Amino acid sequence: NAGVTQTPKFRVLKTGQSMTLLCAQDMNHEYMYWYRQDPGMGLRLIHYSVGEGTTAKGEVPDGYNVSRLKKQNFLLGLESAAPSQTSVYFCASQTYRGGTGGRIEQFFGPGTRLTVL
Amino acid sequence: AQKVTQAQTEISVVEKEDVTLDCVYETRDTTYYLFWYKQPPSGELVFLIRRNSFDEQNEISGRYSWNFQKSTSSFNFTITASQVVDSAVYFCALSEIATSGTYKYIFGTGTRLKVLA
Repeated sequence: NAGVTQTPKFRVLKTGQSMTLLCAQDMNHEYMYWYRQDPGMGLRLIHYSVGEGTTAKGEVPDGYNVSRLKKQNFLLGLESAAPSQTSVYFCASQTYRGGTGGRIEQFFGPGTRLTVL
Repeated sequence: AQKVTQAQTEISVVEKEDVTLDCVYETRDTTYYLFWYKQPPSGELVFLIRRNSFDEQNEISGRYSWNFQKSTSSFNFTITASQVVDSAVYFCALSEIATSGTYKYIFGTGTRLKVLA
């Protein structure tokens, strides 16, 4: 199993350009998440999805769109990139087995380092 | 509101010293999960431990130990006999149940640990 993979690993954009980050997981997880990590701020949730065809906003959704057309893929789009979106982006997936013995830890991809000039 | 506070921004210790990383959380949920993740210089996020709110037993795993105290809303992490390879940023996270029924993570801002040879 590859776990969670992210494409690309690095990208440099100019202000106003668009791009899509791809996250793929092969663990048949229902839930998927996109985070951004900025220095001194930990990880902040951008958008998430509880299943194929569903998405929801997280803490910092502005300037981003997402789609979950297939269960194994979660796409993060930047329609018009801004320097404030320079960050490291992490995707994560999670299965749900709640309760006192549930396994709910998130499995993270390796990250995508995005620079917007 | 849910919140995770890691007041220690950066800690430096000499190899073989013990070090404790603090984590204080706030939540109104009665059922929640707490996590620690390690982010080495290579950038990936490595899962270390999960603890649910019903289980206050301390846990030891090799040189790592965790002290969960609901009375003080703390989930502290101790590394015994630290090694240079322990140098990393460590994140504490709280998982709450969102209105959609999924789990969302709230991360602390991280503690950068430097272990000097």
